[in-house]
Amino acid sequence: AQKITQTQPGMFVQEKEAVTLDCTYDTSDPSYGLFWYKQPSSGEMIFLIYQGSYDQQNATEGRYSLNFQKARKSANLVISASQLGDSAMYFCAMRVRPYSGGGADGLTFGKGTHLIIQP
Amino acid sequence: EADIYQTPRYLVIGTGKKITLECSQTMGHDKMYWYQQDPGMELHLIHYSYGVNSTEKGDLSSESTVSRIRTEHFPLTLESARPSHTSQYLCASSPQSSGRAVGELFFGEGSRLTVL
Repeated sequence: AQKITQTQPGMFVQEKEAVTLDCTYDTSDPSYGLFWYKQPSSGEMIFLIYQGSYDQQNATEGRYSLNFQKARKSANLVISASQLGDSAMYFCAMRVRPYSGGGADGLTFGKGTHLIIQP
Repeated sequence: EADIYQTPRYLVIGTGKKITLECSQTMGHDKMYWYQQDPGMELHLIHYSYGVNSTEKGDLSSESTVSRIRTEHFPLTLESARPSHTSQYLCASSPQSSGRAVGELFFGEGSRLTVL
């Protein structure tokens, strides 16, 4: 079974500093996708960045980058030049192919990291 | 911006009431999902659908039921609400293929349910 582990329940970071949110994953499927979502206090889930297991380069989207270390099964999110609006919950998630024996192909989520940016 | 809508956003009801949480998407996505999320916790998949007349239970057992009579509509129903059902319910959809980000979920804004 697939599993996502986020070991940082909460983080405080000074505005304009870079921040790294940790994520490790476990799956035996060689084909998978890794996602990061942001959830502000309003509750909606906002897609940030995606990394495919066969992608050769680390994904980047504006101030977000994903530090993908396949051998270590880690997919850390890096936010450069943090802003007050970055304060939110951040979830790492994984998608694997559904197996013939069953199982949904939705995303499996980690417990999340509550990031607070301080002025 | 994703076009997936949930109503109501907030609902406070008494024990024993029947409730339906609505979810609609205008993107023509075949796959739809319901996740349950307690405050500050991870999301757990409770129901999913691959298309019309297709519904399956997710990884987390739930007393709720779903239906998929139309592609765009995926309502969730609780026949008799209890305080243990108090949670946020997030609806999501996904196309069969979504460019690079295969499997990306597009989420609604969520329905926060409180059962007294």
